[in-house]
Amino acid sequence: QQQVKQSPQSLIVQKGGISIINCAYENTAFDYFPWYQQFPGKGPALLIAIRPDVSEKKEGRFTISFNKSAKQFSLHIMDSQPGDSATYFCAASEGGNKLVFGAGTILRVKS
Amino acid sequence: GAVVSQHPSWVICKSGTSVKIECRSLDFQATTMFWYRQFPKQSLMLMATSNEGSKATYEQGVEKDKFLINHASLTLSTLTVTSAHPEDSSFYICSARAALRGYTFGSGTRLTVV
Repeated sequence: QQQVKQSPQSLIVQKGGISIINCAYENTAFDYFPWYQQFPGKGPALLIAIRPDVSEKKEGRFTISFNKSAKQFSLHIMDSQPGDSATYFCAASEGGNKLVFGAGTILRVKS
Repeated sequence: GAVVSQHPSWVICKSGTSVKIECRSLDFQATTMFWYRQFPKQSLMLMATSNEGSKATYEQGVEKDKFLINHASLTLSTLTVTSAHPEDSSFYICSARAALRGYTFGSGTRLTVV
């Protein structure tokens, strides 16, 4: 019930393309869904986050789509750039408690 | 924005010695701090949750006597790896949370035990 399942495990996208990463959860009490970007040797950095009362949130090239009925949310990176190459983690939490992380997606953007 | 400072960024220690890692919230008061461990190409594994002035809550399978967590103030938490062994070598990351804020992560500490 506490798991967040993330796919794909790795992703290769051409420069300028759209990168899409998906996550699914079981716990309907989750109320905060962030996405993090992590570069090697660094801590995760918050990219964008959404709460379940909103179906979509966009910040620059990054968009979260949230489907409450399907218990799924996804990250779209528009106009992907080589600098976006990193590991991306989805996560979820309930009531400000601990974050439950997905397994991560290694994104490589080819120039 | 919220900033969490974690030190040291890397440390090498001899087997059997102890290592302390500090995590500070620089511009906000963190009511809760979290400590994670991350192995190469894997996700973050929560080790423990600590609230200021309270004992830390450890996740199942994490030895509380080996990984000592202190959260003495609203801006500082420390993780001490006691009697470190090579299998404790890992990337340790802290995270701080305050009311009406998300979770801010430190930059991580690479621990190598030789």
